[in-house]
Amino acid sequence: DIQMTQSPSSLSASVGDRVTITCRASQSISRYLNWYQQKPGKAPKLLIYAASSLQSGVPSRFSGSGSGTDFTLTITSLQPEDFATFYCQQSYSTPYSFGQGTKLEIK
Amino acid sequence: QVQLQESGPGLVKPSQTLSLTCSVSDGSINSGNYYWNWIRQPAGKGLEWIGRIYTSDSTNYNPSLKSRVTISLDTSKNQFSLRLSSVTAADTAVYYCAREGRIIAVGGVYNWFDPWGQGTLVTVSS
Repeated sequence: DIQMTQSPSSLSASVGDRVTITCRASQSISRYLNWYQQKPGKAPKLLIYAASSLQSGVPSRFSGSGSGTDFTLTITSLQPEDFATFYCQQSYSTPYSFGQGTKLEIK
Repeated sequence: QVQLQESGPGLVKPSQTLSLTCSVSDGSINSGNYYWNWIRQPAGKGLEWIGRIYTSDSTNYNPSLKSRVTISLDTSKNQFSLRLSSVTAADTAVYYCAREGRIIAVGGVYNWFDPWGQGTLVTVSS
């Protein structure tokens, strides 16, 4: 099974900041990597698929990059509504797996 | 815009079987080449993929749950279902259903979960 590891586990930032979250796979997964945002009490929301493709309707301040084993999610100019928990997920092979999450909090 | 909605008992006794249904609206469960998935999340913890179904005889399950899980499809009702047997307190979680979208690109076939249902909390307790 493929293990996904995110860092950091939590992050404090201010409105307007640029933040980067990292996700590492235990083996190469090419670009089979998705990013989700989850707010308390809500289902996860797809942000990025195939490592760098922006889901329709998602603001362009969100971007993804990487391939192989190392991936990043970058949010430029943080907005108040961006504070949430973010998860990466590999779709290279089943069983699909998620990172443990990165909680982004307001500083 | 396809919408998904989970339903089922919120409380299940230990050793019994958890049964949930995901109703698909504003779209046919038969339309397109989609997998239909179940994912769960214990309170305050991360996401765990349970399994998926494509047609009634095409399923994939997480090996950690495989011996206890059955996912089935009811196209006449536009629903798919989850059964998890011999539950324990460790199965207490919010259960989500989700459609697995995909795109065929130069580098391969890329899949993702979207949309999701709102989730339903299932508590295992006597």
